[in-house]
Amino acid sequence: QVQLVESGGGVVQPGGSLRLSCAASEFTFSNYNMHWVRQAPGKGLEWVAFIPYDGSIQFYADSVKGRFTISRDNSKNTLYLQMNSLRTEDTAVYYCAKEFESFDIWGQGTMVTVSS
Amino acid sequence: QAGLTQPPSVSKDLRQTATLTCTGNSNNVGNQGAAWLQQHQGHPPKLLSYKNNNRPSGISERFSASRSGNTASLTITGLQPEDEADYYCSAWDISLSAWVFGGGTKLTVL
Repeated sequence: QVQLVESGGGVVQPGGSLRLSCAASEFTFSNYNMHWVRQAPGKGLEWVAFIPYDGSIQFYADSVKGRFTISRDNSKNTLYLQMNSLRTEDTAVYYCAKEFESFDIWGQGTMVTVSS
Repeated sequence: QAGLTQPPSVSKDLRQTATLTCTGNSNNVGNQGAAWLQQHQGHPPKLLSYKNNNRPSGISERFSASRSGNTASLTITGLQPEDEADYYCSAWDISLSAWVFGGGTKLTVL
């Protein structure tokens, strides 16, 4: 069935970098817009970034603008999130989500912990 | 970015009806409506409805959504134990060029 699988999470020190990946399967990845959404421990959902099906533009939440970069490789059916200058407040589960009218398919998430 | 406003918690009895609300403004909920997502503890969110009252396949008819002005609502009829979860609304905000979420409502089924 339609599936999204995130990877690349882990523990990183403040100021460090991580690159998250989201592998898509069982749907035509290149036809769909994609998002990253995060959820800090015990908190609600926070939209992080958006990229359309062709990668032509990117939108970011103010909290990550200038530090995170969303990208995609349609030949590999993979979505990415490059995270630089990480802060303790970036600690969260990061989900990738496919967009059809809204966030219709979600991955299981990957945990990112920013701590010294 | 300013988010949407949801009550933190709602409690209802088994088999009763719960109505959850989500208040935004004319740039988000009032513009294109809201989507609703359900999240059980330890699981990713699941889309329940989009553009106010369109349900993805497989979503029970017990879930129905609506909008009045800048406020969206999700009504759940015949509450079941498995409906106990966190519920989030979301919308595209045309002035922010960003998606916004509500803070979530924790629904308890008594």
